[in-house]
Amino acid sequence: GQSLEQPSEVTAVEGAIVQINCTYQTSGFYGLSWYQQHDGGAPTFLSYNGLDGLEETGRFSSFLSRSDSYGYLLLQELQMKDSASYFCAVSKGDTGRRALTFGSGTRLQVQP
Amino acid sequence: GAVVSQHPSWVICKSGTSVKIECRSLDFQATTMFWYRQFPKQSLMLMATSNEGSKATYEQGVEKDKFLINHASLTLSTLTVTSAHPEDSSFYICSARGQPDLFLHFGNGTRLTVT
Repeated sequence: GQSLEQPSEVTAVEGAIVQINCTYQTSGFYGLSWYQQHDGGAPTFLSYNGLDGLEETGRFSSFLSRSDSYGYLLLQELQMKDSASYFCAVSKGDTGRRALTFGSGTRLQVQP
Repeated sequence: GAVVSQHPSWVICKSGTSVKIECRSLDFQATTMFWYRQFPKQSLMLMATSNEGSKATYEQGVEKDKFLINHASLTLSTLTVTSAHPEDSSFYICSARGQPDLFLHFGNGTRLTVT
């Protein structure tokens, strides 16, 4: 099976940088994905790491270390609209085309 | 393509009735779709995998006779909650892997309230 651990809550101020960590256990690894979900909304895809290293997309970056079964999402220049829940996820099953198993989510609160 | 459309966005029904939720891939074909359920302040839990032209695969603990899934075409999967009860009230979200990116993309979700 799969299991993922991430902090339940993080608080930061506007303009700051915040890092959300995720550790995982899975048999057969097909990459680590990150999703953002605002209250009442559906998850939206943010980033994906299939190999070790850093992936950058605008203000968001994601990092993966497969040897440590660890990744993180880095949000820079925080804005109020970044207040949301963030989920890390790994592929369920024996291929990368199956459903995702999600972590419990990290609720980010951005304060003025 | 990566647009997934879900309808309705919210529904209120009486206990004992059935509710059908539609999930469509708008700009790509999806032979497989995934149905998730999310309770307030909790994570997304996979309910079932919907396969075009064959039976759905249900996760452990999900009643297949209660949550009927039909994947009749390459762009449409439906989830029917039969004999709904208040404990079925939840946020139901469908998803599919886009093409060619293969990342999982979600519909806007359906908030079901059973009174």
